[in-house]
Amino acid sequence: GAVVSQHPSRVICKSGTSVKIECRSLDFQATTMFWYRQFPKQSLMLMATSNEGSKATYEQGVEKDKFLINHASLTLSTLTVTSAHPEDSSFYICSASIASTLRSEQYFGPGTRLTVT
Amino acid sequence: SQQGEEDPQALSIQEGENATMNCSYKTSINNLQWYRQNSGRGLVHLILIRSNEREKHSGRLRVTLDTSKKSSSLLITASRAADTASYFCATDSRDNFNKFYFGSGTKLNVKP
Repeated sequence: GAVVSQHPSRVICKSGTSVKIECRSLDFQATTMFWYRQFPKQSLMLMATSNEGSKATYEQGVEKDKFLINHASLTLSTLTVTSAHPEDSSFYICSASIASTLRSEQYFGPGTRLTVT
Repeated sequence: SQQGEEDPQALSIQEGENATMNCSYKTSINNLQWYRQNSGRGLVHLILIRSNEREKHSGRLRVTLDTSKKSSSLLITASRAADTASYFCATDSRDNFNKFYFGSGTKLNVKP
């Protein structure tokens, strides 16, 4: 159980275009979803926290107008990279959380490799 | 990293040897978790240790936590070539257990 999928797994787009990445929890309802970015040979950087039906909370330094997050249901969150530039090329990973008491289980998707040419 | 550092950044050992990775973090936590990532892939959850625990075992994995030093270590015993991956620690924070911050990671190479 607790499977999270991402689509697409890889995407190549031209500079200036927008790209949408989907994150789905397949067999559970996620109270919260998270979006991370990982540059080559680096760690995961939390970009934003997304709760169903409310606006995402962005980490410091992450442009909310560039990285649009929509969390329309308890099983789907989308990240749209708007007006993508080559420096946005990265590995984007989402996770879905089942938050209970004082412990958060986060289940990670397989990631989406974005290349902007 | 957003939360802390791991050392070493890279570790190369022979199959059968033990591998130890260390993680330091900056803020008070509720839980610390270790994850593995194969190159270009998603994360695999390895083990969770609570802030009131000092040591935890799972198979060939042993995790310690020292909250006074804000540090944790992951020991993999009798390593195998299949253990080759990057290993990350992730911490939440006292005021938000739902958000994770990852350490900088250790790239482990186990030579057959």
